[in-house]
Amino acid sequence: AQSVTQLGSHVSVSEGALVLLRCNYSSSVPPYLFWYVQYPNQGLQLLLKYTSAATLVKGINGFEAEFKKSETSFHLTKPSAHMSDAAEYFCAVTSMNTGFQKLVFGTGTRLLVSP
Amino acid sequence: GAVVSQHPSWVICKSGTSVKIECRSLDFQATTMFWYRQFPKQSLMLMATSNEGSKATYEQGVEKDKFLINHASLTLSTLTVTSAHPEDSSFYICSAREAGHGEAFFGQGTRLTVV
Repeated sequence: AQSVTQLGSHVSVSEGALVLLRCNYSSSVPPYLFWYVQYPNQGLQLLLKYTSAATLVKGINGFEAEFKKSETSFHLTKPSAHMSDAAEYFCAVTSMNTGFQKLVFGTGTRLLVSP
Repeated sequence: GAVVSQHPSWVICKSGTSVKIECRSLDFQATTMFWYRQFPKQSLMLMATSNEGSKATYEQGVEKDKFLINHASLTLSTLTVTSAHPEDSSFYICSAREAGHGEAFFGQGTRLTVV
Protein backbone atom coordinates (compact mmCIF):
# COMPACT_ATOMS: atom_id res chain seq x y z
CA ALA A 1 0.00 0.00 0.00
CA GLN A 2 1.08 3.52 -0.67
CA SER A 3 1.05 6.35 1.79
CA VAL A 4 2.35 9.83 2.39
CA THR A 5 3.22 11.47 5.67
CA GLN A 6 3.21 15.20 6.08
CA LEU A 7 5.13 16.28 9.15
CA GLY A 8 3.56 19.20 10.90
CA SER A 9 -0.12 20.00 10.62
CA HIS A 10 0.74 23.69 10.83
CA VAL A 11 3.74 25.66 9.65
CA SER A 12 4.12 29.36 10.43
CA VAL A 13 6.48 31.68 8.60
CA SER A 14 6.96 35.38 8.24
CA GLU A 15 6.40 37.07 4.92
CA GLY A 16 9.62 36.86 2.92
CA ALA A 17 10.92 33.83 4.81
CA LEU A 18 11.69 30.42 3.38
CA VAL A 19 8.80 27.99 3.16
CA LEU A 20 9.50 24.29 3.77
CA LEU A 21 6.67 21.77 3.88
CA ARG A 22 7.69 18.19 4.44
CA CYS A 23 6.39 15.08 2.73
CA ASN A 24 7.65 11.54 3.00
CA TYR A 25 6.19 8.74 0.95
CA SER A 26 5.99 5.00 1.10
CA SER A 27 5.68 3.01 -2.10
CA SER A 28 6.87 -0.40 -3.21
CA VAL A 29 7.09 0.76 -6.83
CA PRO A 30 8.30 3.98 -8.42
CA PRO A 31 5.87 6.70 -7.38
CA TYR A 32 4.38 9.73 -9.01
CA LEU A 33 4.18 12.51 -6.45
CA PHE A 34 2.11 15.66 -6.35
CA TRP A 35 1.67 18.79 -4.28
CA TYR A 36 -1.71 20.49 -4.22
CA VAL A 37 -2.88 23.71 -2.60
CA GLN A 38 -6.36 24.27 -1.22
CA TYR A 39 -7.84 27.62 -0.29
CA PRO A 40 -10.85 27.74 2.06
CA ASN A 41 -14.00 26.19 0.61
CA GLN A 42 -12.33 25.47 -2.69
CA GLY A 43 -11.06 22.46 -4.54
CA LEU A 44 -7.44 21.52 -5.03
CA GLN A 45 -5.05 23.20 -7.39
CA LEU A 46 -1.98 21.38 -8.63
CA LEU A 47 1.27 23.11 -7.68
CA LEU A 48 3.69 20.64 -9.19
CA LYS A 49 4.25 16.97 -9.92
CA TYR A 50 7.06 14.45 -10.15
CA THR A 51 6.63 11.76 -12.78
CA SER A 52 10.06 10.10 -12.88
CA ALA A 53 11.80 12.73 -15.00
CA ALA A 54 13.85 15.50 -13.38
CA THR A 55 14.13 15.11 -9.61
CA LEU A 56 13.91 18.86 -9.02
CA VAL A 57 10.48 19.96 -10.07
CA LYS A 58 9.42 23.56 -10.46
CA GLY A 59 5.80 24.49 -10.10
CA ILE A 60 3.54 27.49 -10.10
CA ASN A 61 3.77 30.51 -7.80
CA GLY A 62 7.50 30.02 -7.19
CA PHE A 63 7.20 26.63 -5.51
CA GLU A 64 9.51 23.74 -6.16
CA ALA A 65 10.09 20.26 -4.77
CA GLU A 66 12.89 17.75 -4.93
CA PHE A 67 12.37 14.01 -5.18
CA LYS A 68 14.92 12.18 -3.04
CA LYS A 69 14.60 8.45 -3.38
CA SER A 70 17.20 7.70 -0.71
CA GLU A 71 15.18 9.70 1.80
CA THR A 72 11.75 8.80 0.36
CA SER A 73 10.99 12.49 0.50
CA PHE A 74 9.35 15.12 -1.68
CA HIS A 75 9.53 18.32 0.33
CA LEU A 76 7.97 21.51 -0.98
CA THR A 77 9.89 24.77 -0.79
CA LYS A 78 9.56 28.40 -1.73
CA PRO A 79 12.38 30.90 -1.18
CA SER A 80 10.21 33.79 -0.05
CA ALA A 81 6.72 33.47 1.41
CA HIS A 82 3.93 35.76 0.36
CA MET A 83 0.75 36.47 2.29
CA SER A 84 -1.25 34.88 -0.52
CA ASP A 85 0.56 31.57 0.09
CA ALA A 86 -1.44 31.03 3.29
CA ALA A 87 -3.49 27.91 2.56
CA GLU A 88 -3.68 24.16 3.10
CA TYR A 89 -1.13 22.06 1.24
CA PHE A 90 -1.50 18.39 0.42
CA CYS A 91 1.09 15.92 -0.76
CA ALA A 92 -0.21 12.95 -2.75
CA VAL A 93 1.16 9.76 -4.32
CA THR A 94 0.09 7.38 -7.04
CA SER A 95 1.81 4.64 -9.03
CA MET A 96 1.49 1.98 -11.66
CA ASN A 97 0.04 -0.36 -9.03
CA THR A 98 -3.26 1.44 -9.36
CA GLY A 99 -2.78 2.28 -13.02
CA PHE A 100 -2.09 5.79 -11.82
CA GLN A 101 -5.78 5.93 -11.00
CA LYS A 102 -5.81 6.50 -7.28
CA LEU A 103 -4.27 9.40 -5.45
CA VAL A 104 -3.43 8.84 -1.81
CA PHE A 105 -3.30 12.10 0.10
CA GLY A 106 -1.42 13.13 3.17
CA THR A 107 -3.22 14.77 6.06
CA GLY A 108 -2.28 18.24 4.91
CA THR A 109 -0.22 21.11 6.27
CA ARG A 110 -1.68 24.49 6.94
CA LEU A 111 0.72 27.28 6.05
CA LEU A 112 0.32 30.46 8.04
CA VAL A 113 2.09 33.60 6.84
CA SER A 114 2.47 36.57 9.14
CA PRO A 115 3.36 40.11 8.09
CA GLY B 1 -4.58 23.24 -16.99
CA ALA B 2 -7.89 21.60 -17.71
CA VAL B 3 -11.06 22.87 -16.06
CA VAL B 4 -13.43 20.84 -13.93
CA SER B 5 -16.64 22.51 -12.87
CA GLN B 6 -18.62 21.29 -9.88
CA HIS B 7 -22.13 22.39 -9.11
CA PRO B 8 -23.57 23.50 -6.79
CA SER B 9 -20.80 25.04 -4.71
CA TRP B 10 -22.97 24.80 -1.63
CA VAL B 11 -26.33 23.29 -0.77
CA ILE B 12 -28.51 23.05 2.31
CA CYS B 13 -31.14 20.35 2.45
CA LYS B 14 -33.52 18.80 4.92
CA SER B 15 -32.97 15.39 6.46
CA GLY B 16 -34.43 12.63 4.36
CA THR B 17 -34.15 14.41 1.04
CA SER B 18 -31.72 13.62 -1.77
CA VAL B 19 -29.12 15.92 -3.22
CA LYS B 20 -27.39 15.69 -6.59
CA ILE B 21 -23.94 17.11 -7.21
CA GLU B 22 -22.63 17.50 -10.75
CA CYS B 23 -19.04 17.34 -11.92
CA ARG B 24 -18.22 18.42 -15.46
CA SER B 25 -14.98 18.43 -17.41
CA LEU B 26 -15.23 21.53 -19.58
CA ASP B 27 -12.38 21.18 -22.06
CA PHE B 28 -11.37 17.54 -22.05
CA GLN B 29 -12.89 14.10 -22.03
CA ALA B 30 -12.78 12.59 -18.59
CA THR B 31 -12.58 8.84 -18.89
CA THR B 32 -12.24 8.57 -15.14
CA MET B 33 -13.78 10.66 -12.40
CA PHE B 34 -13.20 10.48 -8.69
CA TRP B 35 -15.36 11.54 -5.77
CA TYR B 36 -13.83 12.56 -2.47
CA ARG B 37 -15.19 13.57 0.87
CA GLN B 38 -13.37 15.98 3.12
CA PHE B 39 -14.18 16.53 6.78
CA PRO B 40 -13.25 19.83 8.41
CA LYS B 41 -9.50 20.30 8.70
CA GLN B 42 -8.84 16.81 7.39
CA SER B 43 -7.54 15.24 4.24
CA LEU B 44 -9.49 13.99 1.26
CA MET B 45 -10.98 10.52 1.48
CA LEU B 46 -11.63 8.77 -1.81
CA MET B 47 -15.22 7.57 -1.95
CA ALA B 48 -15.40 6.06 -5.41
CA THR B 49 -13.87 5.89 -8.85
CA SER B 50 -16.06 5.94 -11.92
CA ASN B 51 -15.17 5.15 -15.50
CA GLU B 52 -17.43 6.41 -18.25
CA GLY B 53 -20.14 3.96 -19.12
CA SER B 54 -19.48 1.53 -16.31
CA LYS B 55 -20.41 1.15 -12.68
CA ALA B 56 -18.47 3.03 -10.08
CA THR B 57 -15.96 1.28 -7.86
CA TYR B 58 -16.56 2.21 -4.27
CA GLU B 59 -13.96 2.30 -1.53
CA GLN B 60 -14.38 0.09 1.47
CA GLY B 61 -16.89 1.46 3.92
CA VAL B 62 -18.71 3.68 1.44
CA GLU B 63 -22.38 2.79 1.02
CA LYS B 64 -23.24 2.30 -2.63
CA ASP B 65 -26.95 2.81 -2.08
CA LYS B 66 -26.33 5.95 -0.09
CA PHE B 67 -23.97 7.63 -2.52
CA LEU B 68 -25.16 6.98 -6.05
CA ILE B 69 -22.64 7.76 -8.77
CA ASN B 70 -23.43 8.04 -12.43
CA HIS B 71 -20.85 8.66 -15.16
CA ALA B 72 -22.99 8.56 -18.26
CA SER B 73 -20.83 10.69 -20.52
CA LEU B 74 -17.19 11.66 -20.95
CA THR B 75 -17.84 15.09 -19.52
CA LEU B 76 -20.31 14.53 -16.71
CA SER B 77 -20.45 12.56 -13.49
CA THR B 78 -23.03 12.97 -10.77
CA LEU B 79 -23.05 12.07 -7.10
CA THR B 80 -26.45 11.74 -5.45
CA VAL B 81 -26.61 11.64 -1.69
CA THR B 82 -29.83 9.78 -0.98
CA SER B 83 -31.93 10.21 2.15
CA ALA B 84 -29.41 12.65 3.52
CA HIS B 85 -28.78 12.93 7.24
CA PRO B 86 -26.82 15.49 9.25
CA GLU B 87 -23.83 13.15 9.42
CA ASP B 88 -23.61 13.37 5.62
CA SER B 89 -22.79 17.06 5.95
CA SER B 90 -19.34 17.51 4.48
CA PHE B 91 -17.30 18.98 1.67
CA TYR B 92 -17.50 16.82 -1.46
CA ILE B 93 -14.89 17.21 -4.19
CA CYS B 94 -14.69 15.61 -7.60
CA SER B 95 -11.72 15.21 -9.86
CA ALA B 96 -11.45 14.15 -13.47
CA ARG B 97 -8.71 12.48 -15.42
CA GLU B 98 -8.16 12.12 -19.13
CA ALA B 99 -7.11 8.71 -20.45
CA GLY B 100 -3.34 8.25 -20.49
CA HIS B 101 -2.62 11.19 -18.19
CA GLY B 102 -1.38 10.81 -14.64
CA GLU B 103 -2.78 14.13 -13.53
CA ALA B 104 -6.31 14.62 -12.27
CA PHE B 105 -7.98 18.02 -12.16
CA PHE B 106 -10.23 19.01 -9.30
CA GLY B 107 -13.55 20.72 -9.10
CA GLN B 108 -14.09 23.55 -6.65
CA GLY B 109 -16.01 21.37 -4.22
CA THR B 110 -19.56 21.32 -2.84
CA ARG B 111 -20.35 22.11 0.77
CA LEU B 112 -23.35 20.02 1.79
CA THR B 113 -25.21 20.89 4.97
CA VAL B 114 -28.07 18.65 6.04
CA VAL B 115 -30.41 20.15 8.62
